[in-house]
Amino acid sequence: AQSVTQPDIHITVSEGASLELRCNYSYGATPYLFWYVQSPGQGLQLLLKYFSGDTLVQGIKGFEAEFKRSQSSFNLRKPSVHWSDAAEYFCAVGPKAYNNNDMRFGAGTRLTVKP
Amino acid sequence: DADVTQTPRNRITKTGKRIMLECSQTKGHDRMYWYRQDPGLGLRLIYYSFDVKDINKGEISDGYSVSRQAQAKFSLSLESAIPNQTALYFCATSDIGGGNNEQFFGPGTRLTVL
Repeated sequence: AQSVTQPDIHITVSEGASLELRCNYSYGATPYLFWYVQSPGQGLQLLLKYFSGDTLVQGIKGFEAEFKRSQSSFNLRKPSVHWSDAAEYFCAVGPKAYNNNDMRFGAGTRLTVKP
Repeated sequence: DADVTQTPRNRITKTGKRIMLECSQTKGHDRMYWYRQDPGLGLRLIYYSFDVKDINKGEISDGYSVSRQAQAKFSLSLESAIPNQTALYFCATSDIGGGNNEQFFGPGTRLTVL
């Protein structure tokens, strides 16, 4: 069965430090891959997505993610974290089949940014 | 104006009451979804609809029903609310576009069942 694992429930980093949020998936084939961010009291906003091609994808707000097929991972990175990045981050996988909408989300990683 | 809106934003109700959560979208998307979010569990799909004549159960549909009144409107009902349905509920939409499952989310409805 397909699943998404975000091993870190909560991460704290200092402002200006680098960030990596981990995401591993279990899927029958290479799925579509997404990272969403949820700020307090807000809905989910798409940061970036991977469908095919270059395995390093750039997103909004200075985020990037790298798809590693051999590791079934899609980790999110940012070189220098800003206080406004404090939020909850969700990794998601979705099938490539046109008529299948079985999107699965990870449990989320909450990011705290220290001044 | 927001592309995906949800009403109400917050609701407190009692066990056994019937509750309806509403979702409207101006994105012109055919596909709409209802999720619930619980701490430590992420988002789980309740129901989804590919068009006004198509309704599908998701991962956790028991205790819920939906209605797709128009392309732009998708409502979620709890016929007899129970405390473990206390959660944050999100509506989302996506375009048909060749399997592109990028979804656009509303701001959420926080439901508390006492």
